[in-house]
Amino acid sequence: GAVVSQHPSRVICKSGTSVKIECRSLDFQATTMFWYRQFPKQSLMLMATSNEGSKATYEQGVEKDKFLINHASLTLSTLTVTSAHPEDSSFYICSARDAQASNQPQHFGDGTRLSIL
Amino acid sequence: QQQVKQSPQSLIVQKGGISIINCAYENTAFDYFPWYQQFPGKGPALLIAIRPDVSEKKEGRFTISFNKSAKQFSLHIMDSQPGDSATYFCAASKNDYKLSFGAGTTVTVRA
Repeated sequence: GAVVSQHPSRVICKSGTSVKIECRSLDFQATTMFWYRQFPKQSLMLMATSNEGSKATYEQGVEKDKFLINHASLTLSTLTVTSAHPEDSSFYICSARDAQASNQPQHFGDGTRLSIL
Repeated sequence: QQQVKQSPQSLIVQKGGISIINCAYENTAFDYFPWYQQFPGKGPALLIAIRPDVSEKKEGRFTISFNKSAKQFSLHIMDSQPGDSATYFCAASKNDYKLSFGAGTTVTVRA
């Protein structure tokens, strides 16, 4: 089945550091990828929609200068949390849209646990 | 504004029992209704999904019931097993695009 790889799975860093998270579709092309944020015991909240070759679309309340998204190829989208602070600590999950698969149009990565000290 | 409302927040069921989770949606343009299973520290995995042209879909021990007029859909887990203990999310989307997730239900299956 279709696989989405997310890397790293866990990162711990100091406040003020910028952190990059990668999301790759391994066996299909994804013109659209989505980035979610999930706090403990809560649901997934969509942060932004990443479109290959164009600017990302951010959900209301999400700072685009804080969460930089790049989707430079059909298999890779990156999320960079700039100048991260403790309140940015969360579980970040990406999904990739497979336009050719009507039975399962989105595939999720295994998430990245970000901890800012 | 939460577009998909999910209940209950948590439930406990005995091994072999039936788990039932309910969801309701507002947007009549939604045309894809998946259920995801999530284990701690992992991303959500698709369990089963339905489109509005059918009222029920069954895959193994998992069944979705869909009521288009009431704008509701539910997940039934038959013969619940301890390995089913997880958090379940319903979701909905239009044109296979952005997913709106429910709040989640933590299911605990007691042996």
